[in-house]
Amino acid sequence: GQQVKQSSPSLTVQEGGILILNCDYENDMFDYFAWYKKYPDNSPTLLISVRSNVDKREDGRFTVFLNKSGKHFSLHITASQPEDTAVYLCAAGENQGGSAKLIFGEGTKLTVSS
Amino acid sequence: DMKVTQMPRYLIKRMGENVLLECGQDMSHETMYWYRQDPGLGLQLIYISYDVDSNSEGDIPKGYRVSRKKREHFSLILDSAKTNQTSVYFCASSRDSAETLYFGSGTRLTVL
Repeated sequence: GQQVKQSSPSLTVQEGGILILNCDYENDMFDYFAWYKKYPDNSPTLLISVRSNVDKREDGRFTVFLNKSGKHFSLHITASQPEDTAVYLCAAGENQGGSAKLIFGEGTKLTVSS
Repeated sequence: DMKVTQMPRYLIKRMGENVLLECGQDMSHETMYWYRQDPGLGLQLIYISYDVDSNSEGDIPKGYRVSRKKREHFSLILDSAKTNQTSVYFCASSRDSAETLYFGSGTRLTVL
């Protein structure tokens, strides 16, 4: 089964709006959580990440919230812009042998309309 | 300049042919990965390599094997390609204890 799951395959929001992307995971040993952003025909790049010892991390317009008891984390984007249009992949993993083995969700295609 | 380079960018093969996908990185990262991306499935981990000749299966290793003889190179091999291996393949690397993955630009493989 899918260890990391994104509930929405696609999402549309008006420019300037706030949006929330959700991700659920199964393995309660996961201690690292991340969101990657992917433009069409490009490679994924890290947007923001958080370790399990905190429940929130903010970086400009992007905030990740972690709910360990619910095995859930989310990405909040404020003041959305057309350039935020992309596929967002959540990822979770646990440190093994000194390096995290990341499991990715299916992705949410976000469209920000102007 | 931090870079993960994948070759080739596009590849068309016939069923039963052997396929070699190459990946290189110039960051001296210990850990390297091969993922495949299919619609609706996100990125699925095929193999992970923790260093030279230290490789582990990911979630979908069947039909694939890997080779890491130098830290900067990680190859994915398909012996006798199958049509269901048509996909976009991404290579990535990360530092030993850091989790940020740096991805290559991907190889779009079509198996006819």
